[in-house]
Amino acid sequence: QKEVEQNSGPLSVPEGAIASLNCTYSDRGSQSFFWYRQYSGKSPELIMSIYSNGDKEDGRFTAQLNKASQYVSLLIRDSQPSDSATYLCAVKAGGQNFVFGPGTRLSVLP
Amino acid sequence: SAVISQKPSRDICQRGTSLTIQCQVDSQVTMMFWYRQQPGQSLTLIATANQGSEATYESGFVIDKFPISRPNLTFSTLTVSNMSPEDSSIYLCSVDPLGGQETQYFGPGTRLLVL
Repeated sequence: QKEVEQNSGPLSVPEGAIASLNCTYSDRGSQSFFWYRQYSGKSPELIMSIYSNGDKEDGRFTAQLNKASQYVSLLIRDSQPSDSATYLCAVKAGGQNFVFGPGTRLSVLP
Repeated sequence: SAVISQKPSRDICQRGTSLTIQCQVDSQVTMMFWYRQQPGQSLTLIATANQGSEATYESGFVIDKFPISRPNLTFSTLTVSNMSPEDSSIYLCSVDPLGGQETQYFGPGTRLLVL
């Protein structure tokens, strides 16, 4: 059973702080990793993808991947109330379908 | 990315009836996916729909309950058959516009309530 785990939250951070979202996965063959943001009542939207160990930055978002530890994280700098949403981690092994984690609810407090 | 639309956006249905959900993409894509998201839960893949072949269903989902059509490279339908209240969920289609399942983009979803 391929699993992707996330803390369900809610994770509450004050406005302007760094939000750190974590994800672990069980399939060592996983090659592609994705973070989606889902606002309440909306569909998931892709924020970032990462394929290699290390950090990948895109604006206020940084994805971090450590394949040895089977761990991927998303950092959101200068968090804004508009970042309040559920963040879904998704993992894919070669030739396989996406496996989504349960999501972490983030609440950014003004 | 791709622009994806779904119809209907929401519906309330009676137990025992069926509902067909449509998914339209603004570009040709090889792979389309159908997911279910139950209240407060994450996404569960129902099936993968490739044009010109039978849909591939995930464990726990069967064709008789969730028949899928994929008549061309921009359109697919998912039918939820003989509905029960347990089928109340959000149904999402997604596409992989680049092929090879390197990423997925989601439609707006169909909110289904079965009474």
